[in-house]
Amino acid sequence: VQLVESGGALVQPGRSLRLSCTASGFTFVESAMSWVRQAPGKGLEWVGLIRRRYYGGTTEYAASVKGRFTISRDDSQNIAYLQMNSLKTEDTGVYYCAVWNYDWFDPWGQGTLVTVSS
Amino acid sequence: QSVLTQPPSASGTPGQRVTISCSGSSSNIGSNTVNWYQHLPGTAPKVLIYNNNQRPSGVPDRFSGSKSGTSASLAISGLQSEDEADYYCATWDGSLIGVLFGGGTKLTVL
Repeated sequence: VQLVESGGALVQPGRSLRLSCTASGFTFVESAMSWVRQAPGKGLEWVGLIRRRYYGGTTEYAASVKGRFTISRDDSQNIAYLQMNSLKTEDTGVYYCAVWNYDWFDPWGQGTLVTVSS
Repeated sequence: QSVLTQPPSASGTPGQRVTISCSGSSSNIGSNTVNWYQHLPGTAPKVLIYNNNQRPSGVPDRFSGSKSGTSASLAISGLQSEDEADYYCATWDGSLIGVLFGGGTKLTVL
C-alpha cells in the first residue's frame, strides 16, 4: 500500500497549484481520499476529502480553504488531486494525502511541500 | 486555537505511563469516535488508535485509548525513547461537517 504526493512547489500569492496523490497496492476506486496539511511549526490541519464514486464522489472542505481548493479523483489512474487557487502565504506547509476510512486516516503519504511566497 | 484541546506538551521517563487528553464538545467527540495519530518530524503520520480504543495491527499494546462524554485520552505505558513524537487526536464534527484535529501534544522522553 503506497501513496505518493507530488506537485509541491514555490508559488507566489494569488497563483494556483495542483497536487497529485498517486495510489497503489489497494483498491483505489473503493476508497475515500483526504488531504491534510501541516504549516511550519504548527499542527495537523484537515483540508478536505472526496468520497468514493459509490457514495457520489462528494467532497467536504475545511472552512479555511472552501471556495479556493477543489479535490477531485481519477479512478482510472488511481490519482487524487488537490487544486489550490488564490493561494495565500498561510497555505504554506507540507500537504499529505491519506485514505479516509470514513473515520480515521490510514495510510498516509510522505507529503509534498508547498511554499507560498513572493 | 483548535476546537479539540490537547496539552501542548507531556513528558515521562522510560518505563513510565503517560496520558494525553483531548477535550471537545457534543458536536465532535460527544457524538463521534476518536482517533489518535503519532507523527515524527519528516515522516508520514501514523494511526495509533481508531474508533476510540482499537489498535491497528502492528501497534504495541502499550498504547491504549478511551473516551468518555466529550473527552478522550491516549495512554502510553512502558514509555520508550522511540515514543518521542507529536500526538494528535482527531474526530468528525457534525456541525462543521468535517474532520477536526487537536492542536497536538509533543511527548518528550526524559
